[in-house]
Amino acid sequence: KAGVTQTPRYLIKTRGQQVTLSCSPISGHRSVSWYQQTPGQGLQFLFEYFSETQRNKGNFPGRFSGRQFSNSRSEMNVSTLELGDSALYLCASSLGRTLSGELFFGEGSRLTVL
Amino acid sequence: QQQVKQSPQSLIVQKGGISIINCAYENTAFDYFPWYQQFPGKGPALLIAIRPDVSEKKEGRFTISFNKSAKQFSLHIMDSQPGDSATYFCAASTTGANNLFFGTGTRLTVIP
Repeated sequence: KAGVTQTPRYLIKTRGQQVTLSCSPISGHRSVSWYQQTPGQGLQFLFEYFSETQRNKGNFPGRFSGRQFSNSRSEMNVSTLELGDSALYLCASSLGRTLSGELFFGEGSRLTVL
Repeated sequence: QQQVKQSPQSLIVQKGGISIINCAYENTAFDYFPWYQQFPGKGPALLIAIRPDVSEKKEGRFTISFNKSAKQFSLHIMDSQPGDSATYFCAASTTGANNLFFGTGTRLTVIP
């Protein structure tokens, strides 16, 4: 069974640009969550989607947005990039019916903002 | 505000020794406490988890101890091995919420 796939794995952008990251969950998983990982703040929850609906949102500015498609694939977008947005962005999938406990994480997309 | 506080930030243990990582939380609504292990270049992977109806859970060399009254929980790695060298994150959540609050991580190094 294929794991969570995130693309691109690495990308470099400049301040003011926007970026779109993609996540393909494990087959059959309907929930996709996004986390930002930085050395200083650790892992912080961005948002979670289930059946194309955002169910939960973390404490991030509106520049961070996401969506989920009917096949459960998800994208997140960051507009007007700032230097502080440099981070590893992790996508996690789960069955989503309840918090079974296990989030399956991808290997992440490492974003560098110059 | 960090909802889950984790210590130490880094830990060096000799092979065969016991590694202990501690976490504390404030939100008494939390009822699910997993530990995740992350190797360089990889995403975190669930290691072991506990719910507050038990005080201890053991899976192989990994044990979670949970103290509900103190709002603390810890991970013990017995007979630590070099292959255990990784970053460990504690986390907490509430049933019905599909987001985890993570600690800041502990980088464990096991010396051969």
